Amino acid sequence: NAGVTQTPKFRVLKTGQSMTLLCAQDMNHEYMYWYRQDPGMGLRLIHYSVGEGTTAKGEVPDGYNVSRLKKQNFLLGLESAAPSQTSVYFCASRARAGVNYEQYFGPGTRLTVT
Amino acid sequence: LAKTTQPISMDSYEGQEVNITCSHNNIATNDYITWYQQFPSQGPRFIIQGYKTKVTNEVASLFIPADRKSSTLSLPRVSLSDTAVYYCLVGDVRYGGSQGNLIFGKGTKLSVKP
Repeated sequence: NAGVTQTPKFRVLKTGQSMTLLCAQDMNHEYMYWYRQDPGMGLRLIHYSVGEGTTAKGEVPDGYNVSRLKKQNFLLGLESAAPSQTSVYFCASRARAGVNYEQYFGPGTRLTVT
Repeated sequence: LAKTTQPISMDSYEGQEVNITCSHNNIATNDYITWYQQFPSQGPRFIIQGYKTKVTNEVASLFIPADRKSSTLSLPRVSLSDTAVYYCLVGDVRYGGSQGNLIFGKGTKLSVKP
């Protein structure tokens, strides 16, 4: 049981380039989330999904797009990367109900945009 | 969404009990209180969650007074490995969508010294 995995772990982009971050979970969770964390800050929600085929905007969605074509995967896309998107990106998933309503986080993707 | 206030940093020594208090004056009736722990270069990890009174698990206790306007995370006999950032979050976690969005503030940086 791998939990939540993220690909890639590190990436350096040049301004204007595009890329896709992949999040995968093997816990059959309904809910999935993308966060970004900047130095010395807490996590901020970018987009989230409450089920396969559905997505919604979070706190800081501008400059990002997402897709959830399969229940186990949640993709985060940057169409035209900007230096302001340099950050660590975390994916999380959560079951619809359970003993605790806890989110399980992946190890993160460190992205640098030059 | 209820705003939370917690100390920016705390210092402790190995073997001591550590109590981190979080204020959430405008907590709503359906809001739960959740604490996460984050080590450097890792995603946050769920510690404990509660609605009222006291909750205890194998790693921590959560004390919630009757008015629910604050809560205290208690870590018994901390060790060096408990050095981390601790986040207090308040929200209606029954929902995975916009109602259940959790706001991660800057957290409390706990430093445990030998």
